[in-house]
Amino acid sequence: QVQLKESGPGLVQPSETLSLTCTVSGFSLTSYSVSWVRQPSGKGPEWMGRMWYDGDTAYNSALKSRLSISRDTSKNQVFLKMNSLQTDDTGTYYCTRDDVLFFAYWGQGTLVTVSS
Amino acid sequence: DVVLTQSPATLSVTPGERISLSCRASESVDTYLHWYQQKPNESPRLLIKYASQSISGIPSRFSGSGSGTDFTLSINGVELEDLSIYYCQQGNSLPFTFGSGTKLEIK
Repeated sequence: QVQLKESGPGLVQPSETLSLTCTVSGFSLTSYSVSWVRQPSGKGPEWMGRMWYDGDTAYNSALKSRLSISRDTSKNQVFLKMNSLQTDDTGTYYCTRDDVLFFAYWGQGTLVTVSS
Repeated sequence: DVVLTQSPATLSVTPGERISLSCRASESVDTYLHWYQQKPNESPRLLIKYASQSISGIPSRFSGSGSGTDFTLSINGVELEDLSIYYCQQGNSLPFTFGSGTKLEIK
């Protein structure tokens, strides 16, 4: 069955870089796209960006200058890197199987806290 | 960016009621509007795609309607397990955006 799992540090210092990994199973990264979506506590989700099935990327313009998404198809992994973190970047970060226009499958999410 | 406005922010319900939740887009999104349910400490779950298309495994009491800028999620006979936050999401244009949610609570 389709599964996605996020991993990475739970605590990041302000101004530092966040690195997260999404490990997928049950589908191929060369057939489906994967998006990263984050959610501050008590707020609605925010789409961050997408790794297309063909290796192309798309980013939310609000984050584009700080965000990079890459992948390793041999390991079934998609990576997120975001620099210059601030306290308002605190929240739960999800990877999702991106069925082009909606998100049918979600990982369990990983809580990232930005604090010194 | 397309702004999605959901109303009401909170809805107090009695089990068995039929209810409707609203999602209004700042510009037309055609039928590229999707609904999700999120229970406490869980990931969002897709409920309805393309405004009105059902999803396998989702109870038939959930239905969606609308096109353009005005959309509705209906629950025909609310059950206790439906107490959650409901979000709409548009897939018509990048960046994809979500509404701020409607929280269902017991009256």
